[in-house]
Amino acid sequence: GENVEQHPSTLSVQEGDSAVIKCTYSDSASNYFPWYKQELGKGPQLIIDIRSNVGEKKDQRIAVTLNKTAKHFSLHITETQPEDSAVYFCAAGYQKVTFGTGTKLQVIP
Amino acid sequence: NAGVTQTPKFQVLKTGQSMTLQCAQDMNHEYMSWYRQDPGMGLRLIHYSVGAGITDQGEVPNGYNVSRSTTEDFPLRLLSAAPSQTSVYFCASSLSQGNNSPLHFGNGTRLTVT
Repeated sequence: GENVEQHPSTLSVQEGDSAVIKCTYSDSASNYFPWYKQELGKGPQLIIDIRSNVGEKKDQRIAVTLNKTAKHFSLHITETQPEDSAVYFCAAGYQKVTFGTGTKLQVIP
Repeated sequence: NAGVTQTPKFQVLKTGQSMTLQCAQDMNHEYMSWYRQDPGMGLRLIHYSVGAGITDQGEVPNGYNVSRSTTEDFPLRLLSAAPSQTSVYFCASSLSQGNNSPLHFGNGTRLTVT
């Protein structure tokens, strides 16, 4: 089955700086790569996703990149704000997705 | 739309007790699933269903049962709780199984087994 590794496990940045979270996956058949944000006491919520026929996707301050050859994908958050503080999960799969272990992002005002 | 609703929010059980975690969605989603979230281990799939009357095992199914008698509801049963089942449980649904359908999560049930 699919194995997804996510780094770093914790990340602290100053408000206004950029944050980057990286994931690798093992199954070359995976073609869907969503990212979820989980705020304290709540369930994860989709923030952006990318499919294997696209190398990059951007939505305002959030962007994802995908390198299928190297089997890795990344989340980039620019101009971070305190409300970006949360746990972020990457996932990869075909019919079902496998989640990474999460990154706790802290944005320091 | 309420989305995905999970009850209860918190539960404490003694070893060997049984209970059912409830999950309901009002989005007419075909696909429903249960995950457990443990520190440092991400979200692991327990069971899932692609439609009423159809269920299948995920990555960590042992100790849990599910059924899907209606499109809306997907309860998770613990027949004999064990301390290893202490976790936060999330129910999630999507329009269909597959990568065109993002998961919608409930807000979780925090279960402690003593």
